[in-house]
Amino acid sequence: DQQVKQNSPSLSVQEGRISILNCDYTNSMFDYFLWYKKYPAEGPTFLISISSIKDKNEDGRFTVFLNKSAKHLSLHIVPSQPGDSAVYFCAAKVDGQNFVFGPGTRLSVLP
Amino acid sequence: EPEVTQTPSHQVTQMGQEVILRCVPISNHLYFYWYRQILGQKVEFLVSFYNNEISEKSEIFDDQFSVERPDGSNFTLKIRSTKLEDSAMYFCASSGEANTEAFFGQGTRLTVV
Repeated sequence: DQQVKQNSPSLSVQEGRISILNCDYTNSMFDYFLWYKKYPAEGPTFLISISSIKDKNEDGRFTVFLNKSAKHLSLHIVPSQPGDSAVYFCAAKVDGQNFVFGPGTRLSVLP
Repeated sequence: EPEVTQTPSHQVTQMGQEVILRCVPISNHLYFYWYRQILGQKVEFLVSFYNNEISEKSEIFDDQFSVERPDGSNFTLKIRSTKLEDSAMYFCASSGEANTEAFFGQGTRLTVV
C-alpha cells in the first residue's frame, strides 16, 4: 500500500531550466509534507516543507506547491544546477506519526 | 550546525550475530526515528521514539529489533540475530517538534554475510 507515490523514477533537465518533481498521496490525513534530497551513500537532506494549511512555500530556488483536493504536491527547482543532481524523496506525515517516504525520483541536471 | 551522527559508518556481521547501531541525535530534539533503505529500494520506516518509549513501529520492526536511549544522548538500534535480508543502510533521524522536519544522519551500512 503506497501512501506516497512518485511516479517518475527519473528526470533529466538541462542546466538553467526548471525541474519539476511530482508526488501524489492517498492518505487524506497527511498534514505535513516535505522534500528531501539524497546523494549516494549519504543520509537524506531536508530541503523544504509545507503544511496542509498552505498551498505554496518558497525557499530560494526551491518552491513546493500543494494541491490538497488532488492530493498532489510538486517541487520546482529554478534554475536547475548540476549540483542538484540527486534522488529526491517526497515525504508526508500525520501529526504525531512517522514520516512516510515516496520511492524517490532521480534528477539529472545536464550541463 | 548541529547534526545527527551515526556510528559505525559500515558494519559487517555474520548471520545470526547481534549488532548495535548507534546514533547521537541533535541535542535538543525530542523525537527520534530509525529508517532503513535496502539497496535500490525505498526508504522504509522502522520505529519512532518519544518520551523514552516507542511511539510507533512498522511491521519490519519485529521481536528481533529493539531501541534504547541509554544515557540521554545516544539512541541505539539493536538487531538481536541478524538475517541476510537485514542488509541495508540504516538511517537515524531526529526532530524537535512533532510536525517539523526530521534531520537524518549519514547512515550505517549494515552488511550481513
